[in-house]
Amino acid sequence: DAGVTQSPTHLIKTRGQQVTLRCSPKSGHDTVSWYQQALGQGPQFIFQYYEEEERQRGNFPDRFSGHQFPNYSSELNVNALLLGDSALYLCASRTTRGRPGELFFGEGSRLTVL
Amino acid sequence: AQKITQTQPGMFVQEKEAVTLDCTYDTSDQSYGLFWYKQPSSGEMIFLIYQGSYDEQNATEGRYSLNFQKARKSANLVISASQLGDSAMYFCAMREHLNRDDKIIFGKGTRLHILP
Repeated sequence: DAGVTQSPTHLIKTRGQQVTLRCSPKSGHDTVSWYQQALGQGPQFIFQYYEEEERQRGNFPDRFSGHQFPNYSSELNVNALLLGDSALYLCASRTTRGRPGELFFGEGSRLTVL
Repeated sequence: AQKITQTQPGMFVQEKEAVTLDCTYDTSDQSYGLFWYKQPSSGEMIFLIYQGSYDEQNATEGRYSLNFQKARKSANLVISASQLGDSAMYFCAMREHLNRDDKIIFGKGTRLHILP
């Protein structure tokens, strides 16, 4: 049973570029959340997708957008990259049938913006 | 406003001792859930324990227990008989509303060092 998988694991971009990060949730999970984790900080909630719709959004600008596909996988897009976007981006999935609120996390995509 | 507060940026504890990691939260909801996650140096986030706001008993999962004091809005994690493998970042988290589309938010974390 594959857990949450994310790609790519590492990437380097320059300011102003655009990036797309991908996530496949754990089998049987229908809800995907994205978090940004700066070095030494806690994960910051970006947004959450369920039934291909954005259901919740954190305090992130419109440069951050996402999508969920019919197979529950998800993408995070960031436009016009800034140096401050450098972070570990974590994808987490869950299901209402599991322990309440238990999130399963991927290993993350580490983005470096130069 | 900060919803989850972890006031201990770092802690050093001798192996085999018990350790308490502090967490306070802020919510006006009656229904909410509180969680603790562990993040080792390898980076993956590991779910440890859950406490619902209406649960009368403190949650326990093996060596982990959650000291839930609702009136004080605190949800401290207690690790009994600490082990070297417990060295990691620990995050307290909260889920408000407990409905279909609620989100889970995290504190800034506490780095725990277990000394041999």
